[in-house]
Amino acid sequence: AQSVTQPDIHITVSEGASLELRCNYSYGATPYLFWYVQSPGQGLQLLLKYFSGDTLVQGIKGFEAEFKRSQSSFNLRKPSVHWSDAAEYFCAVGAGGGGNKLTFGTGTQLKVEL
Amino acid sequence: GAGVSQSPSNKVTEKGKDVELRCDPISGHTALYWYRQRLGQGLEFLIYFQGNSAPDKSGLPSDRFSAERTGESVSTLTIQRTQQEDSAVYLCASSPSDWYTDTQYFGPGTRLTVL
Repeated sequence: AQSVTQPDIHITVSEGASLELRCNYSYGATPYLFWYVQSPGQGLQLLLKYFSGDTLVQGIKGFEAEFKRSQSSFNLRKPSVHWSDAAEYFCAVGAGGGGNKLTFGTGTQLKVEL
Repeated sequence: GAGVSQSPSNKVTEKGKDVELRCDPISGHTALYWYRQRLGQGLEFLIYFQGNSAPDKSGLPSDRFSAERTGESVSTLTIQRTQQEDSAVYLCASSPSDWYTDTQYFGPGTRLTVL
């Protein structure tokens, strides 16, 4: 069965600092990987996704993620964090094929200090 | 255009009562998913519908949970004889199809509190 681990429950960074959120997955086949963000009172919004090809994926809001098969990781990065990035971030892996059921990690809560 | 909507946004109920949660997907989306988000945990898949095919109910935690969808429109998730452990945010998502390349668009969720 597939699984996702987000080892950091909470992360605090200063505005303008760089950010890296960790995600490790377990999946037997080629993983389909996603990062979603959830702001208070909002639904989850897709930041970026990886299916194949270039292992560095660009997303919305200046985010990027790098797929590393050897480390089973898909870490999310942003060079300079803005106060509005404060939210909860979820990494997910998809089953692929028909019926794209997603398995989510437990999330990382990001706090941005001004 | 309109996104996925869910109602009610909040529901407080007493243990043992039945509840119905509603999801309106994005028009034209054939796939619809229900997930549950317990406090401090990630989202758990519950059930999904694709067009007129039989739903995949593999994530439903017990027979107290059921869901229906009429064609490619509204879906309702019903929880019978609610228990305190059912307290969670229930999220609905829709996508153009159930193929892995299609993005799932999430609604704002329904927060269910069972007293």
